[in-house]
Amino acid sequence: QKEVEQNSGPLSVPEGAIASLNCTYSDRGSQSFFWYRQYSGKSPELIMSIYSNGDKEDGRFTAQLNKASQYVSLLIRDSQPSDSATYLCAVTAISSGSARQLTFGSGTQLTVLP
Amino acid sequence: DTEVTQTPKHLVMGMTNKKSLKCEQHMGHRAMYWYKQKAKKPPELMFVYSYEKLSINESVPSRFSPECPNSSLLNLHLHALQPEDSALYLCASSQQGGDTIYFGEGSWLTVV
Repeated sequence: QKEVEQNSGPLSVPEGAIASLNCTYSDRGSQSFFWYRQYSGKSPELIMSIYSNGDKEDGRFTAQLNKASQYVSLLIRDSQPSDSATYLCAVTAISSGSARQLTFGSGTQLTVLP
Repeated sequence: DTEVTQTPKHLVMGMTNKKSLKCEQHMGHRAMYWYKQKAKKPPELMFVYSYEKLSINESVPSRFSPECPNSSLLNLHLHALQPEDSALYLCASSQQGGDTIYFGEGSWLTVV
């Protein structure tokens, strides 16, 4: 059974600090890795995708992937109160046709304290 | 703004009612999905359509009936639901060969 696990929360950081979110996955056939942000009462919003080992930076967000360790992480630099949300790690493997089967972790709730 | 549009945003229905959730995308995506999300839980996959054909049904009870009339539309027909079916229902789509799945804003369903 494919599993995606995230570090248990909730996580609180002061404004301006670095927030570190971690995720491990069990399926070595996983090909694509995503971080979604979900505000309370809203739908998931894609914030980062990463496909190859190493780091990928987009503004204040950096995703890191290590396929050998089956580990993916998200760093949020200069955290802002508006970053307070639940962050969902998600992993895909090829499904049938053009479909992708996305498996989510349980999410980490992040609170950035002013 | 998301390019996956879901209606209605909120739905309250009785256990004997028949209702439908609708989803539309105009991005040319050929895969469409229904997810169910309960409070403080991650989204759970229900159905996947690929090229308008049902390709995955994650053992969803028959009181949920999906339909894909064309490549832009996806419906979820609801009948004889239970209160525990109350949740956020998310529609999503992805392009052919693409890995990114885009979610709609969701439909909040309450079964009374």
